[in-house]
Amino acid sequence: DQQVKQNSPSLSVQEGRISILNCDYTNSMFDYFLWYKKYPAEGPTFLISISSIKDKNEDGRFTVFLNKSAKHLSLHIVPSQPGDSAVYFCAASVGNTGKLIFGQGTTLQVKP
Amino acid sequence: KAGVTQTPRYLIKTRGQQVTLSCSPISGHRSVSWYQQTPGQGLQFLFEYFSETQRNKGNFPGRFSGRQFSNSRSEMNVSTLELGDSALYLCASSRSPGETQYFGPGTRLLVL
Repeated sequence: DQQVKQNSPSLSVQEGRISILNCDYTNSMFDYFLWYKKYPAEGPTFLISISSIKDKNEDGRFTVFLNKSAKHLSLHIVPSQPGDSAVYFCAASVGNTGKLIFGQGTTLQVKP
Repeated sequence: KAGVTQTPRYLIKTRGQQVTLSCSPISGHRSVSWYQQTPGQGLQFLFEYFSETQRNKGNFPGRFSGRQFSNSRSEMNVSTLELGDSALYLCASSRSPGETQYFGPGTRLLVL
């Protein structure tokens, strides 16, 4: 049972344009969501998070949107840069726990 | 502030052997979680430790075990290694359960 799904395995955008990465979840008990960026053979790097009491959180070029009724979150990167090329994972957790459930990842390629 | 460190970075073992992986969390972080990443299954939660107590365990066989020490450092052990245990093992730390997790670089285990 895949509780967190990233339905797009890959995404390609031009430098300077917006990148939108999507994530859907099925467990309505999830109350904390995170996005991580990962390069091959390295650990994930934390990007941005959002609590279920919010619907938007911004940090520089990164914005995460949460639509609880649709059980959907998205990560917007504006403007996209070639250094953003990596695999992006969304993750979710329930309550006061250190158990993260990850999506399968989306490979983002930003072309110069 | 130093990040999460994991040792060793690379390991080659043969089937039937056992292995111990080590994780040192960020200074001041008391919660440690472990994850396994494989091409087929993605990032999967193994276990979570806080104050030397296992709080959560993922859906892995009993061959996978772990512990946490009083200085918050953690180890995980895999006994009777199988070919399918070949993976990137990631450790993440947070100040307390439910807070943002920061990942180490991982230990790449190859079982021959």
